[in-house]
Amino acid sequence: NAGVTQTPKFRILKIGQSMTLQCAQDMNHNYMYWYRQDPGMGLKLIYYSVGAGITDKGEVPNGYNVSRSTTEDFPLRLELAAPSQTSVYFCASSYSETGGARRQYFGPGTRLTVT
Amino acid sequence: GENVEQHPSTLSVQEGDSAVIKCTYSDSASNYFPWYKQELGKRPQLIIDIRSNVGEKKDQRIAVTLNKTAKHFSLHITETQPEDSAVYFCAAPPGTGFQKLVFGTGTRLLVSP
Repeated sequence: NAGVTQTPKFRILKIGQSMTLQCAQDMNHNYMYWYRQDPGMGLKLIYYSVGAGITDKGEVPNGYNVSRSTTEDFPLRLELAAPSQTSVYFCASSYSETGGARRQYFGPGTRLTVT
Repeated sequence: GENVEQHPSTLSVQEGDSAVIKCTYSDSASNYFPWYKQELGKRPQLIIDIRSNVGEKKDQRIAVTLNKTAKHFSLHITETQPEDSAVYFCAAPPGTGFQKLVFGTGTRLLVSP
């Protein structure tokens, strides 16, 4: 299994541009997450999904959008990029049949710079 | 919502010493407490986790203890080695039945040879 994969690894955007960060997992996990990590800081939840077709906001959703059309993929869309969105973005996934927190497995991250 | 506080923010120890990192949480219904290790430029990786029906869990040199009454849990690393140097994050869910995690702000551990 490849686990959780993310593309691209690095990206530089100009202010106002848009892009989609890709995330995929091959572990048949039902839950998927997007976090951002600013330099020297902890992880902040942007959006999460409890299954295909179901998404919900996390702590810092403004400026982002997500969709979950399949179990495997959970892309994150940035519209009108701003310097404040410069960060490292991590995708993660977990599995639960009964609900309740479970182990989350992280992808390698995408380092995004907006200038 | 859940608030997770982590201390200390930095910790320097000599190789072979023990290291202890503590986290407090606010939601008494939280029932799952993981610890992640993040090396520079890498992804967070789960190193140990504990559920609220257990007071302590150990895996070789790493242990986690949980005090539900005081709402805090701690990571203990014994016989530290230079490769233990990293940032460590604790996390807790906002109550039961939630798949989300709220992360602490991290502890930078430096183990000097």
